[in-house]
Amino acid sequence: ETGVTQSPTHLIKTRGQQVTLRCSSQSGHNTVSWYQQALGQGPQFIFQYYREEENGRGNFPPRFSGLQFPNYSSELNVNALELDDSALYLCASSLGAAGGTREQFFGPGTRLTVL
Amino acid sequence: RKEVEQDPGPFNVPEGATVAFNCTYSNSASQSFFWYRQDCRKEPKLLMSVYSSGNEDGRFTAQLNRASQYISLLIRDSKLSDSATYLCVVNYNNNDMRFGAGTRLTVKP
Repeated sequence: ETGVTQSPTHLIKTRGQQVTLRCSSQSGHNTVSWYQQALGQGPQFIFQYYREEENGRGNFPPRFSGLQFPNYSSELNVNALELDDSALYLCASSLGAAGGTREQFFGPGTRLTVL
Repeated sequence: RKEVEQDPGPFNVPEGATVAFNCTYSNSASQSFFWYRQDCRKEPKLLMSVYSSGNEDGRFTAQLNRASQYISLLIRDSKLSDSATYLCVVNYNNNDMRFGAGTRLTVKP
């Protein structure tokens, strides 16, 4: 077990709704990255948070937003859900601002279905 | 060209076989490279980092060719438990990890 937890495990929403996904990072890790993984694809980088600030963003629209809290846990918010948002959402924690160069530990993911 | 491209697979091999996966990347400035393993409906887990000089961990050997922007993973003496999807990962910027689509391996008795 990596020590990274995510909630909820599964979620079903309808188009147009909003969703909040949560992630608790591994003890001692100050960086959280979020990924979207569609079926049969590799994870796609959404954004990263380091010490409560966004620290890089992938090619996702502004309706994908996030937060990081003082305890380094994080939330991913998605507004105006679309059918294509159906995917596994993974968070990964790591140590340091240079999260991309250090090992990332993934949580089990939240499987979001948009109907 | 995709940022990270992998052999599409699937690879179906008998136990004991040697299998090799290839991966190419587009960003010549990338500095960090990894192979992750992902079991069905599970999260990715780090298999090994890839170093410039090449590195080995038991039955697994990773190689990096910066000139050709190419990474490989060799698995010797395949076990049933090696069946999984193998993801090639390259850092795009300092904090942006780009994943390949993955190559699925099935090891059969």
